[in-house]
Amino acid sequence: GAGVSQSPRYKVAKRGQDVALRCDPISGHVSLFWYQQALGQGPEFLTYFQNEAQLDKSGLPSDRFFAERPEGSVSTLKIQRTQQEDSAVYLCASSLGQGNTEAFFGQGTRLTVV
Amino acid sequence: AQSVTQLDSQVPVFEEAPVELRCNYSSSVSVYLFWYVQYPNQGLQLLLKYLSGSTLVKGINGFEAEFNKSQTSFHLRKPSVHISDTAEYFCAVSDFNRGSTLGRLYFGRGTQLTVWP
Repeated sequence: GAGVSQSPRYKVAKRGQDVALRCDPISGHVSLFWYQQALGQGPEFLTYFQNEAQLDKSGLPSDRFFAERPEGSVSTLKIQRTQQEDSAVYLCASSLGQGNTEAFFGQGTRLTVV
Repeated sequence: AQSVTQLDSQVPVFEEAPVELRCNYSSSVSVYLFWYVQYPNQGLQLLLKYLSGSTLVKGINGFEAEFNKSQTSFHLRKPSVHISDTAEYFCAVSDFNRGSTLGRLYFGRGTQLTVWP
């Protein structure tokens, strides 16, 4: 596609609900990153995929967070039993390779847990 | 882990005035440096990046930044701002040391630039 696409753009969940956030990276991009951006903060790293392999998940805040990219393209970030502190914008970024290649960001999914 | 400090959370300026947004990072080891801009309800757009070579980097929309290794700084500048430059600006660092996830970005907290007519 022309850019990184994320859906839904906005999600309101009741506390305790499970949510799934989708990311469609740019076609052919090997690397995929998820970031969490709390209100008034910079994005913080959650996890990284190289093709279908999840090589770094050190930024996931708890075991309620799970990410997958089974075919090395679309990725899903799942949050189980959502809590109010999960409210944030979740950004997905993809890049052609590693290192100095430019990362392209999606518009993000704004999650509000009520 | 890297740490990125953006010293100013808000910078108000008048149109056509010069502006400097400050950024310092924690480590003097090998890094790549980036500035991103975020408009309301939008994702991040790359303004410019420093990978190697000349320490003065030019980006889109008339912005430039200078890498200063001794001061571990990467300040963003524009000689004359427009109202359309009003946005949030993020400085980011990526290191390429052994054991690091290549391409992982460490962001500052952001600087809100507001340009007044």
